[in-house]
Amino acid sequence: DTAVSQTPKYLVTQMGNDKSIKCEQNLGHDTMYWYKQDSKKFLKIMFSYNNKELIINETVPNRFSPKSPDKAHLNLHINSLELGDSAVYFCASSQRAHSYEQYFGPGTRLTVT
Amino acid sequence: KQEVTQIPAALSVPEGENLVLNCSFTDSAIYNLQWFRQDPGKGLTSLLLIQSSQREQTSGRLNASLDKSSGRSTLYIAASQPGDSATYLCAVGAGNQFYFGTGTSLTVIP
Repeated sequence: DTAVSQTPKYLVTQMGNDKSIKCEQNLGHDTMYWYKQDSKKFLKIMFSYNNKELIINETVPNRFSPKSPDKAHLNLHINSLELGDSAVYFCASSQRAHSYEQYFGPGTRLTVT
Repeated sequence: KQEVTQIPAALSVPEGENLVLNCSFTDSAIYNLQWFRQDPGKGLTSLLLIQSSQREQTSGRLNASLDKSSGRSTLYIAASQPGDSATYLCAVGAGNQFYFGTGTSLTVIP
């Protein structure tokens, strides 16, 4: 059973398009996260939701909008995609916010052409 | 702001050798520190989590230590194997988020 799953695994799209990445966790965790890993492999947090409420919103363009329909899902919607958005996006979850072990999804490799 | 550094950026060792990976952080006010491995094109796999009140954690051939006062953690891998080849990342839980290091790319040569 996959603990944290993401779809799609690969996403290739053109500049200006709007796309979504979905994330689901079956661990019963309260907190979910979105991270961006750039070409130099550096991981940076983008958003964090605890019990469907936004608790972290780092300096991310407002073209990125997370949505949490329930505790088990945290989706990422990106408007007007730009070349610089190309990266690997990881979803993660933890039992509670920040002081608990994180579990990561397999990542979504986004390529904007 | 918390900054996390991992040295060296890359390490190559012959199979069977014991090795140590380093992680340093600038602010000792942390909740925990977590070590991950990342295989090429894959997600992150959690290896060990050390809470701020703990000094070390062990899992199989892995041992992680934490010295909050000096802002350091080490990951010790005993009797390295080619299957240990991966990038190892440390992440510090502080404030309301996690801060990641830039990783150490480990290659174990058969």
